[in-house]
Amino acid sequence: NAGVTQTPKFQVLKTGQSMTLQCAQDMNHNSMYWYRQDPGMGLRLIYYSASEGTTDKGEVPNGYNVSRLNKREFSLRLESAAPSQTSVYFCASKDLAEAFFGQGTRLTVV
Amino acid sequence: KQEVTQIPAALSVPEGENLVLNCSFTDSAIYNLQWFRQDPGKGLTSLLLIQSSQREQTSGRLNASLDKSSGRSTLYIAASQPGDSATYLCLLTRGGSYIPTFGRGTSLIVHP
Repeated sequence: NAGVTQTPKFQVLKTGQSMTLQCAQDMNHNSMYWYRQDPGMGLRLIYYSASEGTTDKGEVPNGYNVSRLNKREFSLRLESAAPSQTSVYFCASKDLAEAFFGQGTRLTVV
Repeated sequence: KQEVTQIPAALSVPEGENLVLNCSFTDSAIYNLQWFRQDPGKGLTSLLLIQSSQREQTSGRLNASLDKSSGRSTLYIAASQPGDSATYLCLLTRGGSYIPTFGRGTSLIVHP
């Protein structure tokens, strides 16, 4: 039972570098989400995709781009990483009743 | 915009106490409510899901209730143990285009 799989689990970047966080779900869900979690701020929505081929901004989209490659995969890209993007990133997918989360990616930008 | 509030933000109790964690939301439309546990530096562990047609769910020492009319869910932890120490998060969700919305969490410490 894979559920939602995120890669990588940990990453250290230098300021200005780029990277893509990968997320895949095997539950045939239409909706997928990217959140970031910071101390004292809770989990905040970065981007979401209500269905294959659509993406929309969430609460904190600046500095990020996303791609809904197909129904299974929803990737998050940092084009030029900044220290303010140091955070824990969670990917999620949702069916009619319940949301399912990946194990998180801990990203540090130095 | 839906607001989800968790009270208290932090709680420290001795082992053995029965606990109530609260989650309230501003819109009392039809929602499902999920409770998660998060240990320091770890991911989200799903504890209980209460669907909008249900009033409560139980798993071991945990019981969660949902009162849509008052816009509140409570997570009851019976006979707390040090291993229950974690942050507990509630998540409001439903089908369709609704974006799942988290509360900020309750940080629980149960000391021996």
